[in-house]
Amino acid sequence: DQQVKQNSPSLSVQEGRISILNCDYTNSMFDYFLWYKKYPAEGPTFLISISSIKDKNEDGRFTVFLNKSAKHLSLHIVPSQPGDSAVYFCAASASDYKLSFGAGTTVTVRA
Amino acid sequence: DAGVIQSPRHEVTEMGQEVTLRCKPISGHDYLFWYRQTMMRGLELLIYFNNNVPIDDSGMPEDRFSAKMPNASFSTLKIQPSEPRDSAVYFCASSPWTSGVSYNEQFFGPGTRLTVL
Repeated sequence: DQQVKQNSPSLSVQEGRISILNCDYTNSMFDYFLWYKKYPAEGPTFLISISSIKDKNEDGRFTVFLNKSAKHLSLHIVPSQPGDSAVYFCAASASDYKLSFGAGTTVTVRA
Repeated sequence: DAGVIQSPRHEVTEMGQEVTLRCKPISGHDYLFWYRQTMMRGLELLIYFNNNVPIDDSGMPEDRFSAKMPNASFSTLKIQPSEPRDSAVYFCASSPWTSGVSYNEQFFGPGTRLTVL
């Protein structure tokens, strides 16, 4: 059973605009959330994370928002750049070093 | 550091054959993970090790799959016999342990693309 869900398999956005990726989870024991980025023929690489004690974490163009009551998190990329075109995975951990991943969202940034 | 190293990068085999995937984690990392990526199920954790000891293998799909970590610098994932539905990309990842934190970033290898005909 998928405990982390990314319901949008793809997203197309114009360069310079905002990309918003969404993620929902079902396990209330999750206390740490991460976003990974993956280019073709490469492994996922860590992008940004957030602890459950926070509701926002920002790193340059990337911001992750966490809404614990809704069991929802989102990743905002502003402004979107062509190099951001990749697959983005949402992941969650319940303090046991295991990660549960979503199915991924493919982002395409149009010039 | 070279990062997590996986071999082979591509493997094509016939149904019924034994397949062995290899992984060298980042030196000094205490945790090693094996994942499988498919279109249908995304990234699934198969098994993970802590200090060479298997901790959780609940994600291993069936007895045809086995994983070992004989030392801190090497792990294998074996499928015997292989079936077409095992076709996927298999990733190895490693992670350090840090006192006082509940989670550390996992570093992924480039993956092995397995095709079982």
